[in-house]
Amino acid sequence: KAGVTQTPRYLIKTRGQQVTLSCSPISGHRSVSWYQQTPGQGLQFLFEYFSETQRNKGNFPGRFSGRQFSNSRSEMNVSTLELGDSALYLCASSLDLERAGYTFGSGTRLTVV
Amino acid sequence: DQQVKQNSPSLSVQEGRISILNCDYTNSMFDYFLWYKKYPAEGPTFLISISSIKDKNEDGRFTVFLNKSAKHLSLHIVPSQPGDSAVYFCAASDQGGSEKLVFGKGTKLTVNP
Repeated sequence: KAGVTQTPRYLIKTRGQQVTLSCSPISGHRSVSWYQQTPGQGLQFLFEYFSETQRNKGNFPGRFSGRQFSNSRSEMNVSTLELGDSALYLCASSLDLERAGYTFGSGTRLTVV
Repeated sequence: DQQVKQNSPSLSVQEGRISILNCDYTNSMFDYFLWYKKYPAEGPTFLISISSIKDKNEDGRFTVFLNKSAKHLSLHIVPSQPGDSAVYFCAASDQGGSEKLVFGKGTKLTVNP
């Protein structure tokens, strides 16, 4: 079956702009989570969605937001981009609360210049 | 405050020998632990997990050990192969009704032929 699909794979934006990243989970997966990976920081939890509701949120400023649609697809948005937002943004999906771990997408590499 | 720590940023071993990757955690509410492997330009891939009711879980060449009293877990790879060269992330979750995982910063494993 198809894996987690993230688009676009690469993105270059200018400081102050905004960006929207997209994630299509594995068919049947209703839980979608987003993580930011930067060098030396590992994976930092952004938010988690289930059934179109944000169930959990990490410690990121309000410039980071997300949503989930009725088909479980999810988007995250970053407004007023800063240089420090340059990172790999990873989306992961799972069968809810199965404690089986996520399946990650390949990520979107965002570069802010 | 880093709740999951991987104190070794890198590890180098010879092909055929054992690789031991370590992880420490501070949150006593964590009850489920996972290891992910990540190649460059790809998302992390689930490797193996362990519940806090166990102290060992094996899957082929991979074994995870959990020492709850020491809040320590380790991943053993025997025998190590060059294809195992990747960044390994330790992650933990609690039973808080969420899929959120807390990740360590990763250990880069290099297996030399």
